[in-house]
This record gives sequence, structure tokens and C-alpha cells, in this order.
Amino acid sequence: NAGVTQTPKFQVLKTGQSMTLQCAQDMNHEYMSWYRQDPGMGLRLIHYSVGAGITDQGEVPNGYNVSRSTTEDFPLRLLSAAPSQTSVYFCASSPTGGPYTDTQYFGPGTRLTVL
Amino acid sequence: TQLLEQSPQFLSIQEGENLTVYCNSSSVFSSLQWYRQEPGEGPVLLVTVVTGGEVKKLKRLTFQFGDARKDSSLHITAAQPGDTGLYLCAGVPLGGSQGNLIFGKGTKLSVKP
Repeated sequence: NAGVTQTPKFQVLKTGQSMTLQCAQDMNHEYMSWYRQDPGMGLRLIHYSVGAGITDQGEVPNGYNVSRSTTEDFPLRLLSAAPSQTSVYFCASSPTGGPYTDTQYFGPGTRLTVL
Repeated sequence: TQLLEQSPQFLSIQEGENLTVYCNSSSVFSSLQWYRQEPGEGPVLLVTVVTGGEVKKLKRLTFQFGDARKDSSLHITAAQPGDTGLYLCAGVPLGGSQGNLIFGKGTKLSVKP
């Protein structure tokens, strides 16, 4: 199993550009989530999904869109990048229900810089 | 408002020393988790504590959940350089969405040989 994979590993965008961060897991996990990690801020939840077709907002959803058409994939879309979105983005998955009940597995992260 | 306060923010110690990291809140949590993160990688779950007063041990690491489920501690005995990393506590507030995990800002530990 590859676990949780994220692409790209690094990305530089200009203000106003759009892009999609890819996340995939091959463990047949129901729950998937996206976090951003900023220096001195810990991890903050952006969006999460408890299963295919179901998504919900976390603590900092503004400026980001998600969809979950398959169990395996959970892409994060930035519609119009802003410098405030410069961060390291982590995708995570867990078998069922969410982090309260299950071990949550994190991907290696995508480091995004918006100029 | 930061729901989970971790202290200290930074800790630099010599190999063989003991240390304790704290995770405090004014809110009650359904559960608390501790993660360790190394540079350039995602966090890795160490433990989940669910019951007030619960104590869990993982080799030289001891985790405790406060009786009121508002705080937790991580104690490392005889620290080794391999323990170096960022330690994060995280939890789901009681009554909150089970999908919404709140993280503390982390404690950056450096263990020197």
C-alpha cells in the first residue's frame, strides 16, 4: 500500500492563479481531510469528508473548494490564490467516522507559495 | 482563540534527561491525541486517550488525560536524539463535530547527544 499520497510536493503560484492539490489513498478509508500548517499555528482543518459525495467545512474553509466523487480521491481546489494561502498543506485519512475513533494517517504534504 | 494550549513551545535538552509537555484547555474534549511530526513529513499518531484519568504508556513515553478531560500531558523518560521532533496534541471538543479535529500549536523538542 502507498498509504496517503499528495501531489505536487512543491508549488509556486502567482496571486489570482488557480490550482488543485491532489490527494489519494489506497486504504479504502471513508474519512478524508485537508489541513494547512503555518509556522507557530499548528494544523488547522480546512475541509473534510466522511464518505464519497459528502463534504463539510472545517475551521478555515474560505478560499478553498473540495469534492469527493470517489472513496480514493479528495482534491483541494484554490480558485484564486492569495499570498495568505502560502502554507504547507496536509491530506489525511482514517478508516471510518473520523479522527475521534480512528487512527488518522497523514500524507507527506504540499508546500505552496503564493507570490 | 486557541482551544488547545501547548507548553513549552520549545524544549532543548540533553540525552538522558526527562521531560514533560503539557496540553491545556478550558474546554472539555471527547478525546485527545498526541502526534509527532518530523521535518518535511506529516504528523504520525502516537496515542489516543478517551477516558478521564487515563494513562497510556508507549515504551519511554507516558500519556495522561486529565480527570476533567480538559488537559493532557506527555512525559518522556531518558530522552534520546531520536525523540527530536514536533509534538502536537489534538482533540475533538465535547459536543463538536466528530470530524473537526482541533490541534495545538505544538512543542518543538530537540534532544542533543
